[in-house]
Formats: sequence, structure tokens, C-alpha cells
Amino acid sequence: NAGVTQTPKFQVLKTGQSMTLQCAQDMNHNSMYWYRQDPGMGLRLIYYSASEGTTDKGEVPNGYNVSRLNKREFSLRLESAAPSQTSVYFCASSGAVLGTEAFFGQGTRLTVV
Amino acid sequence: AQRVTQPEKLLSVFKGAPVELKCNYSYSGSPELFWYVQYSRQRLQLLLRHISRESIKGFTADLNKGETSFHLKKPFAQEEDSAMYYCALNNRGNRKLIWGLGTSLAVNP
Repeated sequence: NAGVTQTPKFQVLKTGQSMTLQCAQDMNHNSMYWYRQDPGMGLRLIYYSASEGTTDKGEVPNGYNVSRLNKREFSLRLESAAPSQTSVYFCASSGAVLGTEAFFGQGTRLTVV
Repeated sequence: AQRVTQPEKLLSVFKGAPVELKCNYSYSGSPELFWYVQYSRQRLQLLLRHISRESIKGFTADLNKGETSFHLKKPFAQEEDSAMYYCALNNRGNRKLIWGLGTSLAVNP
């Protein structure tokens, strides 16, 4: 049972480069999320997708784009990376049942130099 | 406004001492609350949810609607409890989780 799988685990980018973080879940969840985690700032929501075919901005969407490719996959793209995007990124998914928990991927540690 | 507040960034206790990690919330309606834990360099994982009223790894959390709190408690802390703890509130309207900033718990030998 893989749960939520994120790739890559680590990445170093130069300023201006682009990259896509991949996320897939095998729990048939409707909702998927992308967060960034920074020291002292907790988890901040970048984008989320309540269901296949829909995406919405979270708290800190600037500089990012997302694609909900199908029910399983939700990717995050940095078009032109900036040092301020150095962070740990987590993908998560949850079902639609009351009390259901969110399941997280193992995180991507991104450094932009 | 919907909000989750964890007033302590860092909590340091000795092994065997009681520990309480505070969480206060602001939410119009009946809240759905969780505690998540993140051990060093690992993914976040669910520790407790208020709806199931369970005890996990010796931790308990009681929802107090009068005080709008959901504090996490353990009577005797262990070194392996050292981790980052996040309180979260589920917005039932859009099913987004609202997160506190987290409390780093250090249990010293």
C-alpha cells in the first residue's frame, strides 16, 4: 500500500530554471493538496484540488502552477524558480468522508540557488 | 475568521514529565479537529482525531467547545515523542485543512 508518492525527494535548481514535482495517490481520494513547509511558518497551502478536473489557489500560489491530471495524480510546477521557493514541499490527499484524515507524501526538499 | 493557534513554538520537557501541547481554534460551526505529528525528516502523519476520542502512543486530546481548545496531553513523556506536532481544523465547506504553526516538542533524558 503505497499511499501518497512524491518525486523527486531532493532537487537543486538554479534561479530561473523550471521543474515539476509529481504526486500520485492510490487511495481513490477526491481531494489533493500541495503544501510548502518553512521553519517557523508551519504548513502553507499552495494549491488544492477538491476533485478531478478542478484546482484552486491556496494561501501562497504565486510562482506555481498545478495540474490535476486524473484522480490519482496532482503535479506542481515551478516555471521560473526563485530562491524564495527554497522549501520542503508536501503533497497530501484526503477522502470526502467526515473525519477522514489527510495522508502525506514523504516530501521534496528543494533548494534554489 | 477560521484559525488554529498553537501558542508555543517550542516545548521542552524531561523524560517522564507530563506534557501538554496547546491548540486553540476559531470556527463557526461544529469543528473537526486533528493532531498530526512529524518525526525528524519524515512525512506528517495523523496522531489523533477528535471524532474518534482515541488514545494513541499514550496521547489524548479532548475537544473543549467552551474554551475552543483541543490540547494534546500525555502523562509521561518519552524521548521518542520528540517531534513536531501540528493541530489542524477541517473546514467542512471546502474540506481544506487549516493548520496551526506547529509546536516542536523536545523530550530530554
